[in-house]
Amino acid sequence: NAGVTQTPKFQVLKTGQSMTLQCAQDMNHEYMSWYRQDPGMGLRLIHYSVGAGITDQGEVPNGYNVSRSTTEDFPLRLLSAAPSQTSVYFCASSSGQYSYEQYFGPGTRLTVT
Amino acid sequence: RKEVEQDPGPFNVPEGATVAFNCTYSNSASQSFFWYRQDCRKEPKLLMSVYSSGNEDGRFTAQLNRASQYISLLIRDSKLSDSATYLCVVNGGGSYIPTFGRGTSLIVHP
Repeated sequence: NAGVTQTPKFQVLKTGQSMTLQCAQDMNHEYMSWYRQDPGMGLRLIHYSVGAGITDQGEVPNGYNVSRSTTEDFPLRLLSAAPSQTSVYFCASSSGQYSYEQYFGPGTRLTVT
Repeated sequence: RKEVEQDPGPFNVPEGATVAFNCTYSNSASQSFFWYRQDCRKEPKLLMSVYSSGNEDGRFTAQLNRASQYISLLIRDSKLSDSATYLCVVNGGGSYIPTFGRGTSLIVHP
């Protein structure tokens, strides 16, 4: 039981490049989320999903896209990277129906130059 | 006013001390409350859920005060390994979307 996995662990991009951050969970959780964490800002919700085929925007969605074609996977796409997107990105999942307790992946540290 | 507020600290305490953190929330319809622990450069991990009746797990005690809209975390007999940032998380009114506090930093020294 791997829990929530994220790849890559580290990534450096140039401004304007695009990439996809991968997130997968093996707990059959319905709810999945993407957060970014910046120094002094705490965790901010980017996008979330309450089930396969359903996604919605969080607090800071601009510049990011998501899709949820399966229960297990919830990739985050950066469309055209900007230095302001330099951050640590965490994916999380929750069973939702009975508990809002969230389980986080180990994070992806992204630097945009 | 922020929805969930925490004193950022740091709280700097000696081993063996008792330390308490509070977290205030603004949404009176909030229903689920949690404390998470985050070590430096690591992901947040669930420490405790907070129930209306309060709950205890070893050296850790969490309490909820709905009237004053705050939750608390008490750590007794602090260990060096308790050094971390403690995040308060609130889910409001049936919404899946949680609100995170910015965290309280705890440093336990010998």
